[in-house]
Amino acid sequence: DAMVIQNPRYQVTQFGKPVTLSCSQTLNHNVMYWYQQKSSQAPKLLFHYYDKDFNNEADTPDNFQSRRPNTSFCFLDIRSPGLGDAAMYLCATSRDWKSGRTDNEQFFGPGTRLTVL
Amino acid sequence: SQQGEEDPQALSIQEGENATMNCSYKTSINNLQWYRQNSGRGLVHLILIRSNEREKHSGRLRVTLDTSKKSSSLLITASRAADTASYFCATDDAGGTSYGKLTFGQGTILTVHP
Repeated sequence: DAMVIQNPRYQVTQFGKPVTLSCSQTLNHNVMYWYQQKSSQAPKLLFHYYDKDFNNEADTPDNFQSRRPNTSFCFLDIRSPGLGDAAMYLCATSRDWKSGRTDNEQFFGPGTRLTVL
Repeated sequence: SQQGEEDPQALSIQEGENATMNCSYKTSINNLQWYRQNSGRGLVHLILIRSNEREKHSGRLRVTLDTSKKSSSLLITASRAADTASYFCATDDAGGTSYGKLTFGQGTILTVHP
């Protein structure tokens, strides 16, 4: 089945130790998103890739970076995790909505829960 | 950017009852979407309603959209214990450079008791 896969599901890191979360998709979607979701809160968009074009949200801290080496994979790098970065990180994909031929419903992975010690 | 506000924040009902959740937003939209999230999991898309639509059905789900009031409601009929989850509305804001991005509301936590 086509899907969005996130690894690992649970990640524990130490304060200040860089960590990378990965996302892959078999849907062949143009757009990939990274969200941060803290307990009992709405998902907050960090950035998205439209094909190779990177789009950062204005309030995303510099501590968060992303890479998309090909259509299928996208990575979230947290350069120096702080205690406030403990959260669920959600990867999502959507089709080419810029063409106007499709709606922008998003398909989510199961998430990676990050703990910072 | 705008954000949807949902009410109630939490809803507790018995199996078989209907559940209604509401979402309000602030500016013009292209579409409004509802998502479901089981505890500790990713979100699952439920239904999308475009700005020129007023009502949409999918199985036990019924969504309405009132663009004059900038509000939407999600009705789940004949609820089941398996419907227990958080439900989020998300808006695709019309115009500008944000086309295609979604802004999520705070969500409604639905608990359905067997």
